[in-house]
Amino acid sequence: EIVMTQSPATLSVSPGERATLSCRASQSVSSNLAWYQQKPGQAPRLLIYGASTRATGIPARFSGSGSGTEFTLTISSLQSEDFAVYYCQQYNNWPQFGQGTKVEIK
Amino acid sequence: QVQLQESGPGLVKPSQTLSLTCTVSGGSISSGSYYWSWIRQPAGKGLEWIGRIYTSGSTNYNPSLKSRVTISVDTSKNQFSLKLSSVTAADTAVYYCARGMGYYDSSGYYLYYFDYWGQGTLVTVSS
Repeated sequence: EIVMTQSPATLSVSPGERATLSCRASQSVSSNLAWYQQKPGQAPRLLIYGASTRATGIPARFSGSGSGTEFTLTISSLQSEDFAVYYCQQYNNWPQFGQGTKVEIK
Repeated sequence: QVQLQESGPGLVKPSQTLSLTCTVSGGSISSGSYYWSWIRQPAGKGLEWIGRIYTSGSTNYNPSLKSRVTISVDTSKNQFSLKLSSVTAADTAVYYCARGMGYYDSSGYYLYYFDYWGQGTLVTVSS
């Protein structure tokens, strides 16, 4: 089993600032890594797949990077609608999610 | 635009079987190479993949749930279903159905992420 670890658990950021979220895999998952955004009471929304490819309709302020075991999701300038919980998911094996990072207003 | 909608009882008694159905609209469940999945989320916690089915009927399950899970598909109704047996309070969660989208790797395995999700349905296990 591959363990996905996200950090930090909570990130306090002011609107307009940059947010950097990390996701680490316990073994290499190549570039088979996706990121999702989830707001309260809603289903997760796909943001990034293939570690760095934005899904359809996702704003350019969201970017993903990394390969192997270390991955980063960067939100370049936080908008009010970006405050949410973010999950990474590896799909190099059966799908497994990280425990999430909550991005909250500072 | 593909849409998924979960349906089923919101309350299940301990030791009984949880049964949910996902209805797919906006496209045929049989078209394309997609793995139709179930994912759950206990209140305030993270996401857990339960299992998936391909329209051929092939399935794969989370090893931690495998002994209790059955996923089936009805292509004539554009639906797939989840059964989880011997439920306990630990199975209380929001259950999502989702479409797995991806590619075949060099070994022929289909590697997938989830591009479309249902809105989720809360299932509570309680007597």
